[in-house]
Formats: sequence, C-alpha cells, structure tokens
Amino acid sequence: DIQMTQSPSSLSASVGDRVTITCRASQSISSYLNWYQQKPGKAPKLLIYAASSLQSGVPSRFSGSGSGTDFTLTISSLQPEDFATYYCQQSYSTFTFGPGTKVDIK
Amino acid sequence: QVQLVQSGAEVKKPGSSVKVSCKASGGTFSSYTISWVRQAPGQGLEWMGRIIPILGIANYAQKFQGRVTITADKSTSTAYMELSSLRSEDTAVYYCARTYMTTVTPHFDLWGRGTLVTVSS
Repeated sequence: DIQMTQSPSSLSASVGDRVTITCRASQSISSYLNWYQQKPGKAPKLLIYAASSLQSGVPSRFSGSGSGTDFTLTISSLQPEDFATYYCQQSYSTFTFGPGTKVDIK
Repeated sequence: QVQLVQSGAEVKKPGSSVKVSCKASGGTFSSYTISWVRQAPGQGLEWMGRIIPILGIANYAQKFQGRVTITADKSTSTAYMELSSLRSEDTAVYYCARTYMTTVTPHFDLWGRGTLVTVSS
C-alpha cells in the first residue's frame, strides 16, 4: 500500500501570509495527487487534482506542484475562510489520504 | 445540480451491522464510481472502497475486506455501504464521494454531507 505523509501537522498563520504544505508519498505516484480542504463539521472539498490542476470554482490563490513522491500545496495569501484542515490524497493505486495539516489563526 | 444525499444518523450495538445509503439527486451514476470514506472523531480520512454502479463491481481497502459490502441500485441512482461486526472503533462519519470514471487522475469532485454512525452498547 502507498503511504502518505504531510508536514507540518499543524501551523499557525495570519491573514495575508503565504502558506506551504508538503505531502510525500512512499513511492512514486507520478501526478496522481489531489488536495482537499475540510472545515469542521463539513465534508471535504476538492481544491487541486492531478497535482497542479485547479478545481473549477476554487480561488486562484491555491496552487499545487510536484510529481513523483514530493508535492506542495501553496496558498499565496491566506484569507479568513482558508482556516481549515488540508489533506493530500494519492489516486495512483486505489486511494490513500495523508494525515492532514491544520491551519489555524496565529 | 447533482447532489449526493446520504441517509440519516444511526446508533448501533456492537456486533451488529449498519447500511448507509447515498443517492445521486438530480443526476445519475452512469459515468461515475462511488467511493466510501470514513472519518472517526477528531481523526483523518480513510478510504473504505468503491463501486462502479453501471457494472456492479466493487473493490475494498484491505483493512475492511470481509466486513464491508458496497452495492448500487442503478434504477434509483443509489449506492449503499454495509459494515458488519461493528465495534466502538467504527464510530465515525461515513461519506460517499464521486469520481468521474474516465478521468485520467481519479479525484473526488463531489461529496455527500456524511452520515454519523455511533456504535455503543
């Protein structure tokens, strides 16, 4: 099975900050990497698919990069509505989620 | 606008089974697979398995093999997830999620709101 790790597990940031979250796969997954945002009590929401493709309706301040085993989600200028938990997911071999990164207010 | 409408919260005894439904409201499953993902309280997301409704073919995460059954009724565009031999650790919110079948890189573009299953004696 493919294992996913994320770092950091949590971070504190201010509105307007640039935020970067890293995701690593236990083996190469090409670009089969997705990112989701989840707010408390809500279902996850797709942000980025295929490592760098922005889902329709998602603000352009979100971007993704990487391939192989190392991936990054970047929020260029953090907005109040972006405080949430972010999960990466590999879809190279069935599906596995990373443990999540909680972004909260500094 | 297609929505995935899930059944309501359940409270179950240890050792029993639960069956959760997920209906595509405003659309069909014809071009999609449906996965089930669970989230225990305060924990992360865990993929359980998926089904291709038009074929009726399901596959499961190894962890749940033998304990989970995912089915679909094409006529009503409804998918079901049944989990048996429930234990307290199965207390979680269970989500269904859609993947477009022909996408090159599968991803879950639509999710249900979740169904809370509580296992308690």
